[in-house]
Amino acid sequence: RKEVEQDPGPFNVPEGATVAFNCTYSNSASQSFFWYRQDCRKEPKLLMSVYSSGNEDGRFTAQLNRASQYISLLIRDSKLSDSATYLCVVIGGNQFYFGTGTSLTVIP
Amino acid sequence: DADVTQTPRNRITKTGKRIMLECSQTKGHDRMYWYRQDPGLGLRLIYYSFDVKDINKGEISDGYSVSRQAQAKFSLSLESAIPNQTALYFCATSDSWTGVEDEQFFGPGTRLTVL
Repeated sequence: RKEVEQDPGPFNVPEGATVAFNCTYSNSASQSFFWYRQDCRKEPKLLMSVYSSGNEDGRFTAQLNRASQYISLLIRDSKLSDSATYLCVVIGGNQFYFGTGTSLTVIP
Repeated sequence: DADVTQTPRNRITKTGKRIMLECSQTKGHDRMYWYRQDPGLGLRLIYYSFDVKDINKGEISDGYSVSRQAQAKFSLSLESAIPNQTALYFCATSDSWTGVEDEQFFGPGTRLTVL
């Protein structure tokens, strides 16, 4: 079983839509959680950390559910510039485990 | 200038050749990592180093070796390249373990093709 699993999509949504991604992880002892964004042919960059209490950054909201071992990312009022691949990242045992990524395309 | 640089950015080579990918960073981070990215498989860890005297195997280290020449430099070698090592390779750095603040900073990637 993979350490981190994501629905690869693709998600194609119109501008202004709300879209949510989920990611599950297998190691209940995982310590830290992140969402990264990767544009085509570019390096991944940190989008936001995911805290136990949930956190919000503008149109982006991240939540952690330790009991069910999943994290989520909600994007409100989608913009064309949000089109990218979103990677779920989990830290466990001193290693970073990346999901395969969820592809999002925001359509005009 | 970029904080994490990788050379070369693109490389085409033949089966059996020795290849070295280099990574340099100016962030002053102790921790450095090498990943490969393949379509549908995501990023997979090859090797990581927590300081110049520390080298650890990652998920897929077979066929690769690394050298941490200095705090700022971490190189990845393919001793005898094979076609299934064709991938996008990323170097990354992070600061010491502090919990949720452990962001990784990635280089721009090296696209390697083994014919």
